Amino acid sequence: QKEVEQNSGPLSVPEGAIASLNCTYSDRGSQSFFWYRQYSGKSPELIMFIYSNGDKEDGRFTAQLNKASQYVSLLIRDSQPSDSATYLCAVNYDMRFGAGTRLTVKP
Amino acid sequence: DAGITQSPRHKVTETGTPVTLRCHQTENHRYMYWYRQDPGHGLRLIHYSYGVKDTDKGEVSDGYSVSRSKTEDFLLTLESATSSQTSVYFCAISEKGGYTFGSGTRLTVV
Repeated sequence: QKEVEQNSGPLSVPEGAIASLNCTYSDRGSQSFFWYRQYSGKSPELIMFIYSNGDKEDGRFTAQLNKASQYVSLLIRDSQPSDSATYLCAVNYDMRFGAGTRLTVKP
Repeated sequence: DAGITQSPRHKVTETGTPVTLRCHQTENHRYMYWYRQDPGHGLRLIHYSYGVKDTDKGEVSDGYSVSRSKTEDFLLTLESATSSQTSVYFCAISEKGGYTFGSGTRLTVV
């Protein structure tokens, strides 16, 4: 079992919809969780990090953490075509990455 | 902006040749990392450094070595390149609660 798992997608949503990206992790002692966005041919860039159970909102992005169920999710509200990218989940400060979920937002 | 640059951006090399990739940062960050990214595998840690001459292995370190003789430079060397090392290589530094990545080096071993 991989330490950090993501559905590879592709995930396709219409413009204006909510995109939901999920990530599960195997190490129950994990404390910190990160979401990165990576456009095709570019380097990953940090979107959000979350440490505590519950929700953390930043603009159109909401990270949700449930340590009991060992999953973290990223919601993108009012999805835009410019959100089309691969989204990478990472766990802990030593950054164990998932393989990423490719998101396409269709106009 | 972390001021992190990688060189070269692209390189094609032959099997069996040595290759060195360079990562340069301008803001005195202590921790630096080398990752490779391959389809279906995401980002995998090769080596990291926690100071000058202080380095350690990551999960895919076989066939790679690193050096850090100055705070600002972290070098990744493929001693004898193989086709399985064809990949995109990213350098990263730790800041702002996460990592900041360089622009990457696309390496092709033929």
